Amino acid sequence: GAGVSQSPSNKVTEKGKDVELRCDPISGHTALYWYRQRLGQGLEFLIYFQGNSAPDKSGLPSDRFSAERTGESVSTLTIQRTQQEDSAVYLCASSLGRQRGGETQYFGPGTRLLVL
Amino acid sequence: GEDVEQSLFLSVREGDSSVINCTYTDSSSTYLYWYKQEPGAGLQLLTYIFSNMDMKQDQRLTVLLNKKDKHLSLRIADTQTGDSAIYFCAESPQADKLIFGTGTRLQVFP
Repeated sequence: GAGVSQSPSNKVTEKGKDVELRCDPISGHTALYWYRQRLGQGLEFLIYFQGNSAPDKSGLPSDRFSAERTGESVSTLTIQRTQQEDSAVYLCASSLGRQRGGETQYFGPGTRLLVL
Repeated sequence: GEDVEQSLFLSVREGDSSVINCTYTDSSSTYLYWYKQEPGAGLQLLTYIFSNMDMKQDQRLTVLLNKKDKHLSLRIADTQTGDSAIYFCAESPQADKLIFGTGTRLQVFP
């Protein structure tokens, strides 16, 4: 596609419920990243996928957070048993990947998650 | 450790130049980036500079890099009201993530 797309754009859920966020990267981009932006703050790295390599999960804040990606396509970020502190904008980005000489990350519009 | 610092606010008059400053910690970053975020919108890549350069100009934007002091700046010439946004600098010590500053909120008044 023309850019990174994310769905849903907004999600309201109740504390304790599971949520699943989706990211469609730019076609041909091998690298995919998830970040979290809390209100009034900068972005925190969550997880990174590069091709078929094992993902870098070093930024995931707890074991309630997980993400999957099949090949070089769509990724889903799952938050289990949501807590109010999970409320944030979740941003996805993709890049060509360093091996292809393209580190620059292009961001999607984000999913705004509100946990009541 | 990894830390990127920016001042929180900048207020300028329309037509003046804006300078947004950033300090970073990791000298191994290959690229350094500036992103713009408008209210309710995602992050827009504004410009970036390769670490072996000390200046890059792109229309109204000038990026200056001082590697010795680990200082990055973004100058916007002839600032317009449409430039009002939050500006994030980011370093890339590893290809697998960006380290962002907290963002500088630029307010342009007439």
